[in-house]
Amino acid sequence: AQSVAQPEDQVNVAEGNPLTVKCTYSVSGNPYLFWYVQYPNRGLQFLLKYITGDNLVKGSYGFEAEFNKSQTSFHLKKPSALVSDSALYFCAVRLLSGNTGKLIFGQGTTLQVKP
Amino acid sequence: DGGITQSPKYLFRKEGQNVTLSCEQNLNHDAMYWYRQDPGQGLRLIYYSQIVNDFQKGDIAEGYSVSREKKESFPLTVTSAQKNPTAFYLCASSKRVGTGGETQYFGPGTRLLVL
Repeated sequence: AQSVAQPEDQVNVAEGNPLTVKCTYSVSGNPYLFWYVQYPNRGLQFLLKYITGDNLVKGSYGFEAEFNKSQTSFHLKKPSALVSDSALYFCAVRLLSGNTGKLIFGQGTTLQVKP
Repeated sequence: DGGITQSPKYLFRKEGQNVTLSCEQNLNHDAMYWYRQDPGQGLRLIYYSQIVNDFQKGDIAEGYSVSREKKESFPLTVTSAQKNPTAFYLCASSKRVGTGGETQYFGPGTRLLVL
């Protein structure tokens, strides 16, 4: 079955420290990969995506993600965390087969950045 | 959230009642989607539409119905057949699927509660 896993329900980091939110996927072929952020009672905001090319993708608000094909991972990173980064983060995979545009989402990881 | 509006923000449903959630976009996107979000489960696809007057079931379509009579509108009806409707409902839109790496952009969501 095709799936996306975010192995950590919550990640805690001190402000100013680097952060990593993990994502691994299990799909056939070469999928498109996305990261979204959600603040309480709000919709999802697009952060970045990987389609092809350079494995390190830069996105909004200083976030970046590294695509690793051999490990089927797409971890989200930021060199220096801010308290305002505290939110719920979703990794998603778009299947290329079937041409439906369907996204498969991970269950989400809550990031808590403490002052 | 810009470009996609959802209303109402909160909706209360009585037993046996059908309710309709509104989703409008001014991004000139061809494709539109409805997702359901439950705590700890990520987002699950209810219905999607790639073009006006056409739509397909997603992973959890039972108890829901949609229409796509206009490009900018994709209303979702939660019918009385949906026995557990309490959730956060998110609408999204994207460029036409197949043009490459289409990003889905989300509305602010509607929280549905059962009285």
